[in-house]
Amino acid sequence: DAMVIQNPRYQVTQFGKPVTLSCSQTLNHNVMYWYQQKSSQAPKLLFHYYDKDFNNEADTPDNFQSRRPNTSFCFLDIRSPGLGDAAMYLCATSRDRRGGETQYFGPGTRLLVL
Amino acid sequence: GQQLNQSPQSMFIQEGEDVSMNCTSSSIFNTWLWYKQDPGEGPVLLIALYKAGELTSNGRLTAQFGITRKDSFLNISASIPSDVGIYFCAGQPLGGTASKLTFGTGTRLQVTL
Repeated sequence: DAMVIQNPRYQVTQFGKPVTLSCSQTLNHNVMYWYQQKSSQAPKLLFHYYDKDFNNEADTPDNFQSRRPNTSFCFLDIRSPGLGDAAMYLCATSRDRRGGETQYFGPGTRLLVL
Repeated sequence: GQQLNQSPQSMFIQEGEDVSMNCTSSSIFNTWLWYKQDPGEGPVLLIALYKAGELTSNGRLTAQFGITRKDSFLNISASIPSDVGIYFCAGQPLGGTASKLTFGTGTRLQVTL
């Protein structure tokens, strides 16, 4: 089945220690998104890639970076995690970026910062 | 930024009951999506709506795109325990792109036996 895969499902890191979360997709979608979701809140868009074109949201902290080496993979790098970065991180994809395109989410990676 | 008002915030219902939740916006949307999120998992798409007035079913779920294009509702008939979770509406504003999904605040559904 075509899907969005996130690894690991749970990640524990130390305050200030860089961490990388990964996402892969077998849908061959052009667009990949990273969201941050804190407890009982709606997902918040951090940035997205449209093919190789990186699009950052205005309020995304510099501490968050992303890489997309190829169509299938996208990484979220948190350079110096703080306690406030503990959250669920969701990867999503859509076929294109036009209005009317649906986003499909992965299962998420829950990040714990000690 | 733009926000979607989703209600109710939470519901406690008995197994077998029907459920209704809705989302409203102050501006026009051209797409409405309904997602369900189980604890510790990512949102799963339930229903997508693309036209004003559209009524779409997926099993026991029915969703409608309001004719004013500023609201949508989701109904679940004959609820079962596995319906427990958080339901999010999400929309794309008129003239927007898929990258700009606006989410509702979520409706937490609990089902008692």
